[in-house]
Amino acid sequence: QVQLVQSGGEVKKPGASVKVSCEASGYNFGTFGIAWVRQAPGQGLEWMGWISGDNDNTYYAQRLQGRLTMTTDTSTRTAYMELRSLTSDDTAVYYCGREFCDKDRCYLVDHWGQGTLVSVSS
Amino acid sequence: QSVLTQPPSVSAAPGQKVTISCSGSSSSIGSNHVVWYKKLPGTAPKLLIYETYKRPSDIPDRFSASKSGSSATLGITGLQTGDEADYYCGTWDSRLSAGVFGGGTKLTVL
Repeated sequence: QVQLVQSGGEVKKPGASVKVSCEASGYNFGTFGIAWVRQAPGQGLEWMGWISGDNDNTYYAQRLQGRLTMTTDTSTRTAYMELRSLTSDDTAVYYCGREFCDKDRCYLVDHWGQGTLVSVSS
Repeated sequence: QSVLTQPPSVSAAPGQKVTISCSGSSSSIGSNHVVWYKKLPGTAPKLLIYETYKRPSDIPDRFSASKSGSSATLGITGLQTGDEADYYCGTWDSRLSAGVFGGGTKLTVL
């Protein structure tokens, strides 16, 4: 069965960076990409971006471009999300998810990781 | 402010039917498939509907969805207390080249 297992929670200071991992199993990693979605306390879901399984293509939410980098390691079937210059507004639960995209659109997440809490506080 | 617009809350009695609307634009819902998720506090979202109308095999047929133009609707019949949750719609926005979500709708089963 499809499984996505994320790394553990992080506590960071403002201005720091965080890198969250997402290890996938149970499906052809190269056929699907990985999306990252976050939910700040009391807020809704925010789509952050998507990376293809083969690391070739990415989509990033415009408001996060410049601070966000997504990568994959096909040898370990692991995706990574790095967010830089953190502020308290980045405090959220970060989810990875399997997401299929064809040449010009994505179909949004069908299987989710368990979530990783990232807290940003001085 | 979310790209897709959902009502903040809906409510209905057990056994009744409820609908949740999701309004977008020609570049979002009007051009792409819609998904619906159920979200409980402290847990990952659960996929209810994909490709606008389709249900995963573990989702009962009490859940259905439709789309007309730039709007989509989730319907839930035979409401149960276990249906109480936040529900989110999502889709791709071809103008933004990004995924977008509604702000979420809190369902209360009275």
